[in-house]
Amino acid sequence: NAGVTQTPKFRILKIGQSMTLQCTQDMNHNYMYWYRQDPGMGLKLIYYSVGAGITDKGEVPNGYNVSRSTTEDFPLRLELAAPSQTSVYFCATRGGGTEAFFGQGTRLTVV
Amino acid sequence: EDQVTQSPEALRLQEGESSSLNCSYTVSGLRGLFWYRQDPGKGPEFLFTLYSAGEEKEKERLKATLTKKESFLHITAPKPEDSATYLCADLRNSGYALNFGKGTSLLVTP
Repeated sequence: NAGVTQTPKFRILKIGQSMTLQCTQDMNHNYMYWYRQDPGMGLKLIYYSVGAGITDKGEVPNGYNVSRSTTEDFPLRLELAAPSQTSVYFCATRGGGTEAFFGQGTRLTVV
Repeated sequence: EDQVTQSPEALRLQEGESSSLNCSYTVSGLRGLFWYRQDPGKGPEFLFTLYSAGEEKEKERLKATLTKKESFLHITAPKPEDSATYLCADLRNSGYALNFGKGTSLLVTP
């Protein structure tokens, strides 16, 4: 039982490049989330999904896009990378209970 | 704006020196208050959920309590392995996602 799996673990992008951060869960949870974590700033919600085919913006969605075609997968797309997107990105899921479960994170540097 | 505020930002304790971390929330319609532990380079790890004022939960040296405006994470006789960042979050009845505070960085020295 892997839980929440994020790939890659580390990535360096050049300004203007694009990439997709992958998130897969095997817990059959309906809710999935993308957060970013900057030093001293806590976790900020980027996008969330309440089920396959349904997504919505969080607190800091600019520069990102998501899709949710299956229950298991919730990829986060960066189209034109900017230095302000240098951060650690966490995917999380939540099922019938209220607590959320997190992946191990993707550390992204934009240079 | 509803928000979660944690204090102190950082705390240094001697091994065995008990203390408490604070989490204040201003949201009405609280569905749950959560505590997580985060080690460097790792994702947050779930510790506790509290649902109503007066509720308490314990796990080893940690005890979480909840009032109508704040939650405390009490650490009794901490050990160096308790060193981590502790995150507090709320979930509102009207919301879908957990809303996090900035965390308290705890260092326990031998």
